[in-house]
Order: sequence, then C-alpha cells, then structure tokens
Amino acid sequence: GQSLEQPSEVTAVEGAIVQINCTYQTSGFYGLSWYQQHDGGAPTFLSYNALDGLEETGRFSSFLSRSDSYGYLLLQELQMKDSASYFCAVRDQTGGYQKVTFGTGTKLQVIP
Amino acid sequence: GAGVSQSPSNKVTEKGKDVELRCDPISGHTALYWYRQSLGQGLEFLIYFQGNSAPDKSGLPSDRFSAERTGGSVSTLTIQRTQQEDSAVYLCASSTWTSARETQYFGPGTRLLVL
Repeated sequence: GQSLEQPSEVTAVEGAIVQINCTYQTSGFYGLSWYQQHDGGAPTFLSYNALDGLEETGRFSSFLSRSDSYGYLLLQELQMKDSASYFCAVRDQTGGYQKVTFGTGTKLQVIP
Repeated sequence: GAGVSQSPSNKVTEKGKDVELRCDPISGHTALYWYRQSLGQGLEFLIYFQGNSAPDKSGLPSDRFSAERTGGSVSTLTIQRTQQEDSAVYLCASSTWTSARETQYFGPGTRLLVL
C-alpha cells in the first residue's frame, strides 16, 4: 500500500525560510503534490512534481527525488498568513487504477 | 461556474438515514475526486472518476457508500444507513492537466453530522 510521512508541526519566524519534508512508499509512482489548508477551509493546490528536481512558484518551491522517495516544500519570506496545514499527496497508478494518498499534514505556525 | 461547488454545505442527519452529496466540477474537467476529512485529520481518498468511469471503488469505506457521475459532469456520493463514524467533511475536487502536471481544485466541502 501507500504511506507518507511528514512532520506533524513546524514553527518558524516571519520572514524566514522553512522546509517541510515528505517521504513516501508507493508502487507505480506518478507524482507528488502539495496542498495548503487553512483552518476551516478547503485545501488549495500549491505544486506538483512528476520529475526529479525543483519547481518554483513565487515564494513556494517544491523538490522531488524519486530515487529517494522524498520531496519537500520550501516556503520563503514567510508571512503570518502562511500559518496553515500543509499536505503532501502521492498519485500512483497500479493495475490501471489511479489513486491519490495524502499525508497527515504538517501544521505550520509562523510567529512574529 | 468559476469553481467547484458542493451541496449541501452542511447536513445533519439521524443515524440510519440515507444522504446524498452533490459535486459540480469545473466545466471541462474530466477528472473528479471524492475525499473525506475527519476533524483534525488528513484527507482520505474515496474514489476517482475519469469521465463517467470509476474503475476502482476500493477506497470507499464500506458498501454503504456509492458514487456516480453522469454526463462527465455532476457527481453524487450516496451514503446509505448513515453511522456516527460517517461524520466528516466530504470534499470534492476536479482536476486539469497542463504540461503533464495535474492541478486539483477543491470545492468547499459538505460538513456531514450524523446524530
């Protein structure tokens, strides 16, 4: 089956950089996504990596190493509004079936 | 519409009743997902539609759960004989692929409370 691990909580200072790691175990790996979810809100898409390397979108970057079954989300110039839960999610395909498995989420607290 | 919509936004029901949850995806999105999120927990994948087809139903928690999609658009998730453990937020997402990258767009969810 699929499993993902990410830290449960991270605290960082406003203006700093924070990295949220995600390791996964799956067969038929297709891609790794990251989502942000504020309390009481729906998840919003941040990034998707299917190939090794770094993808940059504004203050957010995401990295994938398929050989290490590892990825991370990098948030730069942290703002108070970045306080939220961040989920990594693996998309895989086995036997013609596609499935998306989410990690349990990392709660990021940005402090002044 | 501009985004994914779900109805109802909130549903309170009595144990043993059936409920039907609706999802209207973004127009043109062929892929549609249903997830469940319990309070303070991550997202649990339920089912995925490509067009009207959902070849893998193994993510549905029990045979009380069923889902269908017609016309490649609206989808309904039905829970029969609801139980208290079915209480959760049910999220729907539709997705698009651009340059081999998928982006999922989530609806606001339906908050289900089974008394």
